[in-house]
Amino acid sequence: DTAVSQTPKYLVTQMGNDKSIKCEQNLGHDTMYWYKQDSKKFLKIMFSYNNKELIINETVPNRFSPKSPDKAHLNLHINSLELGDSAVYFCASSQLGTAGTDTQYFGPGTRLTVL
Amino acid sequence: KQEVTQIPAALSVPEGENLVLNCSFTDSAIYNLQWFRQDPGKGLTSLLLIQSSQREQTSGRLNASLDKSSGRSTLYIAASQPGDSATYLCAAPSGAGSYQLTFGKGTKLSVIP
Repeated sequence: DTAVSQTPKYLVTQMGNDKSIKCEQNLGHDTMYWYKQDSKKFLKIMFSYNNKELIINETVPNRFSPKSPDKAHLNLHINSLELGDSAVYFCASSQLGTAGTDTQYFGPGTRLTVL
Repeated sequence: KQEVTQIPAALSVPEGENLVLNCSFTDSAIYNLQWFRQDPGKGLTSLLLIQSSQREQTSGRLNASLDKSSGRSTLYIAASQPGDSATYLCAAPSGAGSYQLTFGKGTKLSVIP
């Protein structure tokens, strides 16, 4: 009964490939997020998405695209992978309340290594 | 643009000691502030969320405070235990009306038995 799950946990691939990371939440939340944690452990927001809007951090290359087949899933597609994309990617979800967002719940992360 | 700073970057204390972790943020027009814990190789676990209308939030041995006017929050850990060893991250909304979070770089805590 994991709240936020991600697959795969580890992903090793060659430069130039296209890959996807899947995220699912069973909390009934209406907002989901993708974060990137680099080698220096700095965690940075990439996207947030609910059924009303997609907000993209301006530093995210357009090779990255979130896709949401339904409210419980937000997958991350990455085209033409580069060495600098190597990082740990975290999915999260929260309920967007009237006073702002409630607690964000994080998945276990996907460690992406680009060779 | 929100910036979140955490001091110190690393902290080592003997077991049983009380300690304070500091967080500062530049944009005080925030709904709330959150503290997370991250264990090595793991995801983040939410510890405390303080709404902007609150000054303190407590959970067990943890107490977080929020002072919006000065742009500061502290996480107080009482009677530290080796199991508290982890990286503690502070996160604030990225700006007025934003529900995206900006994270600090964290404080890596080591509690020595």
